[in-house]
Amino acid sequence: GAVVSQHPSWVICKSGTSVKIECRSLDFQATTMFWYRQFPKQSLMLMATSNEGSKATYEQGVEKDKFLINHASLTLSTLTVTSAHPEDSSFYICSASGGKAEQYFGPGTRLTVT
Amino acid sequence: QKEVEQNSGPLSVPEGAIASLNCTYSDRGSQSFFWYRQYSGKSPELIMFIYSNGDKEDGRFTAQLNKASQYVSLLIRDSQPSDSATYLCAVEVGGTSYGKLTFGQGTILTVHP
Repeated sequence: GAVVSQHPSWVICKSGTSVKIECRSLDFQATTMFWYRQFPKQSLMLMATSNEGSKATYEQGVEKDKFLINHASLTLSTLTVTSAHPEDSSFYICSASGGKAEQYFGPGTRLTVT
Repeated sequence: QKEVEQNSGPLSVPEGAIASLNCTYSDRGSQSFFWYRQYSGKSPELIMFIYSNGDKEDGRFTAQLNKASQYVSLLIRDSQPSDSATYLCAVEVGGTSYGKLTFGQGTILTVHP
């Protein structure tokens, strides 16, 4: 149980384009989903928290107009990186919780912006 | 002071030994504590969670929590080379933060044959 998928697993895009990453909870209803970013040899950095049907809550320093988050259903959240730049290259990981404190992570999406 | 701090590591233990990973946290309102394992290039995997003071055992893993000392630890018995990974301590932020977690910087564990 508690399986979370992400798509795509890796993506390469050109600078200035937008990329959408999907996060799905496969066997439970995710009332809350979280988006993290992780740079090499660093710990996870929470970007935003989203609840189904509500606007996402962004962490300080995260540009909400650049990282668009939609949590349209209890099993799907999307992160869109708009006008991507090379410094946005990172490992993006979503997690989901079903009303309890435990978070289950997706496999992550490795984004490279050229 | 960091909100969640782990022993710096890296930690190296021989196969079959006990690995001890430690974590302290600053928010006295925190009620939920987690240990995640992260292999290189992969996302974190939940291996233990603990909510009450004392010990919680699951197979070779034991989590220990002492809220008075604001301390949580993870013991891995009979360590195997496959346990080699980065271990992340995570603490739920107190108050109404929708289950938001604060992560420690991680401890790299190497189990050598």
